Amino acid sequence: QLVESGGGVVQAGRSLRLSCTASTFTFEDYVLHWVRQAPGKGLEWLALLSSNGDRKSLRDSVIGRFTVSTDNFRKTLFLQMNNLQVEDTALYYCARNRGDVSFDIWGQGTLVTVSS
Amino acid sequence: SYVLTQPPSVSVAPGETAILTCGGDNIGSEAVHWYQQQPGQAPIVVMSFNKVRPSGIPARFSGSTSVSTATLTIDRVEAGDEADYYCQVWDLNRDYWVFGGGTRLTVL
Repeated sequence: QLVESGGGVVQAGRSLRLSCTASTFTFEDYVLHWVRQAPGKGLEWLALLSSNGDRKSLRDSVIGRFTVSTDNFRKTLFLQMNNLQVEDTALYYCARNRGDVSFDIWGQGTLVTVSS
Repeated sequence: SYVLTQPPSVSVAPGETAILTCGGDNIGSEAVHWYQQQPGQAPIVVMSFNKVRPSGIPARFSGSTSVSTATLTIDRVEAGDEADYYCQVWDLNRDYWVFGGGTRLTVL
């Protein structure tokens, strides 16, 4: 199971940190991802991070503003989002996978609303 | 970066066959995954590696690929199949995941 938290309403230019906590599976066996979905729009992959850090990747459009990290003891993935823009308004999901396998478990998402 | 192209909408009558397509450069050489997203729900995978149905997905769902197109076929469409469907591939070179824009399947 994956549970996201940390969403909310924030003004443009401010920061927010999202969390995704894993349970019922071995955290180290999977790569975790952030995927977002703007209102009425499609899925947009943002970032991935393995628990040992050997795989880390960010979508080009968020490099320099977003970073990903983990707390392996707490089995938690973070997404630090800085200088938020109105277009970052979305439901943010975390999901897990292994290798090139599909994303088999998703959280229910946490909503981020950026106001101008 | 790799781009996946899906038609925005497909409509079929109940009992008919829905054919959902996903276009991409040489997509036949890629491992394509398909997700179904019901309104207000997180996506679930309905097809992996082009044609592998996960446990719990009805046999009415099948997948295939050609050189330039991946296809998700839903036979004997039911009202409960009405949802948004997304294709996905992994860009190995960049360790980057790509989703198609999604197709809304409407059951008439």
